[in-house]
Amino acid sequence: AQSVTQPDIHITVSEGASLELRCNYSYGATPYLFWYVQSPGQGLQLLLKYFSGDTLVQGIKGFEAEFKRSQSSFNLRKPSVHWSDAAEYFCAVGPLNYGGSQGNLIFGKGTKLSVKP
Amino acid sequence: EAEVAQSPRYKITEKSQAVAFWCDPISGHATLYWYRQILGQGPELLVQFQDESVVDDSQLPKDRFSAERLKGVDSTLKIQPAELGDSAMYLCASSFDLDEQFFGPGTRLTVL
Repeated sequence: AQSVTQPDIHITVSEGASLELRCNYSYGATPYLFWYVQSPGQGLQLLLKYFSGDTLVQGIKGFEAEFKRSQSSFNLRKPSVHWSDAAEYFCAVGPLNYGGSQGNLIFGKGTKLSVKP
Repeated sequence: EAEVAQSPRYKITEKSQAVAFWCDPISGHATLYWYRQILGQGPELLVQFQDESVVDDSQLPKDRFSAERLKGVDSTLKIQPAELGDSAMYLCASSFDLDEQFFGPGTRLTVL
């Protein structure tokens, strides 16, 4: 079955420190992978996506993610965290027939990021 | 910048009452999605429309939930009757070509 695992429910980092949020997926073929961010009470905003090609993907707000097929991972990174990055982060995977008639995403349970001053 | 609009933002209702949520996708987006997000969880798809047609409603509790997109533009999600377990954030998203999904701000439903 298709699934996404985010092992860390809550992470706290100091402002200016580096960040890595983990994401592992279970999928039958090359997946389409996404990272979304959600501020409290808000909808989701796309940070970055991976469809194919270069396995290191650059996104908005200084985030990047690396696709590692051998580890079934798509970890999100940021070299220096800002207080405004405090939010919840969701990893998601697109289905096998993405590009066909279905396009729904399967989300992980999210990782809540807190930033210490 | 074009956005997905949703209303109301917050809804409090008593169990057994009917509730309805409205979504207006980004203009030109043929695909519209309704997701439910329970507190502490990731969003889960309820229903997907392509224009006015339902593409996937396999996770929609059809005994109490209904969704329509009559003219292939805006959409309404209805719950009747609401149950305590329906308390959640209901998110609408739209996409142009099954690529990036753009999410609205959501409707926070509380069932008492």
